Formats: sequence, structure tokens, C-alpha cells
Amino acid sequence: RKEVEQDPGPFNVPEGATVAFNCTYSNSASQSFFWYRQDCRKEPKLLMSVYSSGNEDGRFTAQLNRASQYISLLIRDSKLSDSATYLCVVNRNFGNEKLTFGTGTRLTIIP
Amino acid sequence: SAVISQKPSRDICQRGTSLTIQCQVDSQVTMMFWYRQQPGQSLTLIATANQGSEATYESGFVIDKFPISRPNLTFSTLTVSNMSPEDSSIYLCSVEGLAENYEQYFGPGTRLTVT
Repeated sequence: RKEVEQDPGPFNVPEGATVAFNCTYSNSASQSFFWYRQDCRKEPKLLMSVYSSGNEDGRFTAQLNRASQYISLLIRDSKLSDSATYLCVVNRNFGNEKLTFGTGTRLTIIP
Repeated sequence: SAVISQKPSRDICQRGTSLTIQCQVDSQVTMMFWYRQQPGQSLTLIATANQGSEATYESGFVIDKFPISRPNLTFSTLTVSNMSPEDSSIYLCSVEGLAENYEQYFGPGTRLTVT
């Protein structure tokens, strides 16, 4: 089983729709979880950290389910500018600062 | 977050040569890392750049091929030695220590093509 697994997509979604991505991780000792966004030919940029209680930042909502080792990202009212690859990222182990990156989910918002 | 710069932004090199990539941060950071992203792939950690001591390499990466320096808390270099076309990739540095929960921030990357 891969350490971090994501549906690679592509997801082609009409503008204004809601889209959800899922991610599973294999190491139950992981404690830090993130969603990064990577535009074509650019570096990954931190979109949001994912907290145990779930967190929201504008149109973006992240959820963590430790029991199922599952992370999700929900994007509401999608914009053309949301088109990117979304990377699920998990730290390797308790107290370990090294991160493991998923292969990413590609999202295209269609006008 | 911090401002992270990398030089060069891109280069085309001949096989057998070496290239040194620089990473500069505008504030002191605890941790600096070097990653590789091959075409169509996600990021793979090469090594952790340790200030004042030898870098810590991940499985599959060795010091002779990817020597790393970190003379202070704001600067690091990665050298890709004796290059082959398989080394064609984007090389990214990242920093951690600006937030409490292992958030990493990336430099813009160096796009390397080996011919």
C-alpha cells in the first residue's frame, strides 16, 4: 500500500460546482496533514493544514478522519483559478518533520 | 511564510558535468530540504540539509551524487554531479520551522535538462 494515496483524476468540473478530493494514508502515527496546490510548472504552495476538528478557509474545507486514516478537501463554488493539481501531504511519523507527498489530483474547472 | 529563492531557475547541461543549485531564504529556518520532481511525478525527498553537519540522505540518494552544503540557517546548495539524462528534473528546496506543525514552504524550483 502506498504511504499516501490519491485519486489522480483528472476531475473536470463546471465553474460554480462543488468538488471533493479524498486521500488515504498508511501510517497511523502520522500527526500532521496538509493540502498543497501545484500549478503547472510551478512549485507546490501550501493551501491549508488539516486539523483534527476539521477546518475551513473561505470556499475550502478540510476534514481528517484518524480512525479511517482519511483526509478530504472540499471546494465550494469553484472558480477557474482553482484549476491545479492538489497534493495530499502527510508527515512520516510522530515527531518527524519529513513529509510524504501523494501523487496529486488534477482539477480542471470548465467555464 | 518566507521569501525563498533558487538559482539558477533553469539550466541545460551536458552529461558528465555538474551543476550547483543555490537556495536562499530571507529569514532563519530550522530545517531545509531538497526534493526532486520528475516529469509527471510527485515530489521525492533527496535529503535534509543540516546546518553545520553532513546532510541526511534518503534511500536511493548518496552524497557522492548529490553533495549538499548548509553553512548557515538561511542558505543551502545542492550539487548534481556527473549528470546523465536521467537527472533531468525539477529540483526544489523547501524550508520548515516558520510554523509549529511541520509546514514546509518551497522555493520556485530549478528546471534541469541534461543532454
